[in-house]
Amino acid sequence: DTGVSQDPRHKITKRGQNVTFRCDPISEHNRLYWYRQTLGQGPEFLTYFQNEAQLEKSRLLSDRFSAERPKGSFSTLEIQRTEQGDSAMYLCASSSTSGRTPGGQFFGPGTRLTVL
Amino acid sequence: GEDVEQSLFLSVREGDSSVINCTYTDSSSTYLYWYKQEPGAGLQLLTYIFSNMDMKQDQRLTVLLNKKDKHLSLRIADTQTGDSAIYFCAANPGGFKTIFGAGTRLFVKA
Repeated sequence: DTGVSQDPRHKITKRGQNVTFRCDPISEHNRLYWYRQTLGQGPEFLTYFQNEAQLEKSRLLSDRFSAERPKGSFSTLEIQRTEQGDSAMYLCASSSTSGRTPGGQFFGPGTRLTVL
Repeated sequence: GEDVEQSLFLSVREGDSSVINCTYTDSSSTYLYWYKQEPGAGLQLLTYIFSNMDMKQDQRLTVLLNKKDKHLSLRIADTQTGDSAIYFCAANPGGFKTIFGAGTRLFVKA
């Protein structure tokens, strides 16, 4: 069990550029979540996948945000035309519908995005 | 919708017990969780409690649930400097969605 991994760990970009983040969940987990966390706050839900199906998107996820999980394994989160307000930590988490911790999510280390 | 609230800071001396409190609004929350976040890291699931339980103990951690008052607490016995972190309370009001509080920053003084 290698845990949830995210790449890159840090991203600095200029306003208006596009960025893409990758998440590799725990291999046997069928559920994958993306969250955004700003300083002094808890994670805010962005979107959720069960296998390859994106089942829920938060209203926080504007049209500039898109997420995919093409084969039900890794996922990508793309932000187009970044704005300074997009600066945050983007967290990925995964969980299993079966297992010892019902509903409990396992988080990756996050990607810290800074938009200049 | 579900809302989860926590006090922002707690400071204790090493060796003392820490008690972190949380309130939630949705009485249908099935599972309640405690997560720990160290600087620069993601969240680590510490423990959870099912809504039909009053208490759960796991080594130095004790979770108490008062369902009537929608109050959850996490007690850390014999708090160590390595316990300094942000602790998040989270509620699952049903399905996949989990709502997190803003976190309680625990400072442990040596």
